[in-house]
Amino acid sequence: ETGVTQSPTHLIKTRGQQVTLRCSSQSGHNTVSWYQQALGQGPQFIFQYYREEENGRGNFPPRFSGLQFPNYSSELNVNALELEDSALYLCASSFGSFSGANVLTFGAGSRLTVL
Amino acid sequence: GENVEQHPSTLSVQEGDSAVIKCTYSDSASNYFPWYKQELGKRPQLIIDIRSNVGEKKDQRIAVTLNKTAKHFSLHITETQPEDSAVYFCAAGSGGSYIPTFGRGTSLIVHP
Repeated sequence: ETGVTQSPTHLIKTRGQQVTLRCSSQSGHNTVSWYQQALGQGPQFIFQYYREEENGRGNFPPRFSGLQFPNYSSELNVNALELEDSALYLCASSFGSFSGANVLTFGAGSRLTVL
Repeated sequence: GENVEQHPSTLSVQEGDSAVIKCTYSDSASNYFPWYKQELGKRPQLIIDIRSNVGEKKDQRIAVTLNKTAKHFSLHITETQPEDSAVYFCAAGSGGSYIPTFGRGTSLIVHP
């Protein structure tokens, strides 16, 4: 069984650029959630994908978008980067169902720095 | 939406002491309360969780208590060890399309 893997681990961008972050979910999981974790803060929910459909969205602007693929991997795209987008972006997978809450398994994150 | 408050933000204890971290939540529909440990530079990892049909759960030196009436839950670590030093996050959410809301974290420092 493989865990959640994210790429790239670190990246540096400049204001106005675009970035794509990738996540491979844990084997057997069909739901992917993305979180933004600023330094010294708790993870903030961006959005969740279940069976390739967006299943919930946090308080983030439309320039944050995502995709989930048939193999349940996922991408997070951020357009028009701003300095405050600098953070650790965490992907978490789970086995989504409607029978109850499900444990999140986190990846190691992608550290984005915007200059 | 759900709002989770976590206290204290920093907790410093001596090795062997107990540590308690407290969280409150706002949404009475929340029924699942996990706790995550995040060591420096590493991913958050689930250490214990509790569902609303029980009031307490224990796993070796770690226990979690839940008071649904007061909407608060706590993490208790006994006989702390230096390797317990990390940031601990509580979270709250409900079943179905489970999307947990996290607290701001507690930095636990265990001094040898």
